[in-house]
Amino acid sequence: GAGVSQSPRYKVAKRGQDVALRCDPISGHVSLFWYQQALGQGPEFLTYFQNEAQLDKSGLPSDRFFAERPEGSVSTLKIQRTQQEDSAVYLCASSLWTSGYEQYFGPGTRLTVT
Amino acid sequence: GQQVMQIPQYQHVQEGEDFTTYCNSSTTLSNIQWYKQRPGGHPVFLIQLVKSGEVKKQKRLTFQFGEAKKNSSLHITATQTTDVGTYFCAGTYNQGGKLIFGQGTELSVKP
Repeated sequence: GAGVSQSPRYKVAKRGQDVALRCDPISGHVSLFWYQQALGQGPEFLTYFQNEAQLDKSGLPSDRFFAERPEGSVSTLKIQRTQQEDSAVYLCASSLWTSGYEQYFGPGTRLTVT
Repeated sequence: GQQVMQIPQYQHVQEGEDFTTYCNSSTTLSNIQWYKQRPGGHPVFLIQLVKSGEVKKQKRLTFQFGEAKKNSSLHITATQTTDVGTYFCAGTYNQGGKLIFGQGTELSVKP
């Protein structure tokens, strides 16, 4: 079956622009996670959904970052007024349930803010 | 805060040599997972350890979870060029599956 897909794969934004990153999880997976990965670093947790409920958003770096999963399937991560420090790969992962289950990662969206 | 430290950052080995990467947490982990990320790729799940003192093997890979559930290691025997990539440990602390990743160990293998 299909894995986790993300779009766009690459995004270049001018500083101050808004961007929206999309994640399509594996069908039937309850949990969805967003991570930010800077070059040469491990992924850092941003936020987590269980179905449509956003249960943890403790990793979102500022109020410019907003995520939603309105129907418990596709999720969108929105970054308003992008800054250069937002440049990173944004990874989405889904898992069958919550803790204790492997996470399936998508290919990521590489965001470059110029 | 919750943090997972991983060493070494880089490891260069000759093909056929062994490789080990270590992870340590200052607080007790609920479980620990290991992922491999190839250059330009995304993390791919390898294994999960849950029980204190657990040891699991996958062919040439041996994973261990410490007795206190604060540390873990991955050992690869007789490395091959296909083992190239960055190996991450990622722990959970009873918070709904949120993974706290280590910094990763980048393995390069010289044929």
